[in-house]
Amino acid sequence: ELKVEQNPLFLSMQEGKNYTIYCNYSTTSDRLYWYRQDPGKSLESLFVLLSNGAVKQEGRLMASLDTKARLSTLHITAAVHDLSATYFCAVGGDSNYQLIWGAGTKLIIKP
Amino acid sequence: EAQVTQNPRYLITVTGKKLTVTCSQNMNHEYMSWYRQDPGLGLRQIYYSMNVEVTDKGDVPEGYKVSRKEKRNFPLILESPSPNQTSLYFCASSLSFPVEQFFGPGTRLTVL
Repeated sequence: ELKVEQNPLFLSMQEGKNYTIYCNYSTTSDRLYWYRQDPGKSLESLFVLLSNGAVKQEGRLMASLDTKARLSTLHITAAVHDLSATYFCAVGGDSNYQLIWGAGTKLIIKP
Repeated sequence: EAQVTQNPRYLITVTGKKLTVTCSQNMNHEYMSWYRQDPGLGLRQIYYSMNVEVTDKGDVPEGYKVSRKEKRNFPLILESPSPNQTSLYFCASSLSFPVEQFFGPGTRLTVL
């Protein structure tokens, strides 16, 4: 059974700092997604990673996928307050159409 | 405007009273899915649909039903709601799979 673990679950950081959120998963998968959720809002797609070694960047966020290590990272560079949100990773499951989600990382960036 | 809509946005009901949460998308997407979100658990997939008349169970399908008679609509039916179905529900769609999904605004359901 596929399990997805994110850490940390909560992160408070200062503006301007760099940090990384980790997404580990327990069985083989080559499909991984990152989403963002603002408080009281819906989810917004950030990245879709579909192959080993995939790296995608958007602004101050960069995501990577290592399928051999069963690990994805979401790196935040020079954080700004607007990036405060909860970040979820989701991993493709045994079924082609199944997604298993991590518990989310709540990120607070202080001015 | 391309969007996924859900109705109602908020619902308080009582145990055993059948209810339907509607989901509609205007993007001609093939894939649609229902999730529930509970604190500390992330999202859990309830049901998904790969196309019209094609649906399958996700991780937590017990107590729920779905149908996909038209491409744009994917209603979630709770035949006999119970308090443990109190949750925040999201509908999502994507052009196909495994590309990114677009999420609806959510439906907050409370079952007393």
